[in-house]
Amino acid sequence: AQSVTQPDIHITVSEGASLELRCNYSYGATPYLFWYVQSPGQGLQLLLKYFSGDTLVQGIKGFEAEFKRSQSSFNLRKPSVHWSDAAEYFCAVAPTSGTYKYIFGTGTRLKVLA
Amino acid sequence: NAGVTQTPKFRVLKTGQSMTLLCAQDMNHEYMYWYRQDPGMGLRLIHYSVGEGTTAKGEVPDGYNVSRLKKQNFLLGLESAAPSQTSVYFCASINAGRNYEQYFGPGTRLTVT
Repeated sequence: AQSVTQPDIHITVSEGASLELRCNYSYGATPYLFWYVQSPGQGLQLLLKYFSGDTLVQGIKGFEAEFKRSQSSFNLRKPSVHWSDAAEYFCAVAPTSGTYKYIFGTGTRLKVLA
Repeated sequence: NAGVTQTPKFRVLKTGQSMTLLCAQDMNHEYMYWYRQDPGMGLRLIHYSVGEGTTAKGEVPDGYNVSRLKKQNFLLGLESAAPSQTSVYFCASINAGRNYEQYFGPGTRLTVT
């Protein structure tokens, strides 16, 4: 079955510390990969996406993610977290052709300590 | 350019009542989606539409109906609300064939008592 796993429900980091949010997927073929961020009371905003090519992709707000085919992973990273990064982060996959139906992970809620 | 808008933002229903949630997008997107978001469960697809006049079931369609009479609007209906439908509902749209980015509305928080 197709699925996206975000093993960390909550993560707490200090401001200025580095961050890595994990995402693993189970899919028949390599899908398109995404990270979205949701601030409290808001909809989701796209941080970055991977379609093909360079496996390290850059996104908005200083985030990057690395696609590792052998591990079926697409982990999100940021070198230095800001208090404004506190939010919920969702990993998602979509088929490379067809219905454009996303599968979302269950999310990781990030708390940033001052 | 308002993007994706949702009406209403909040609603409280009693069990058995009906209501319709409206999603509107002004980006001329072909694909539109309705999701529900529940704590610890991420976003689950209820129904989606690949174009005007077409709809399809997603992962959790039971208890919901949808219509896409106009390209810019996607309606989600609850015929007989149940407490299990208490959730936050998000609409999204995609410009198919472009960059695959889903544009999300701000959400509707629905409580069924």
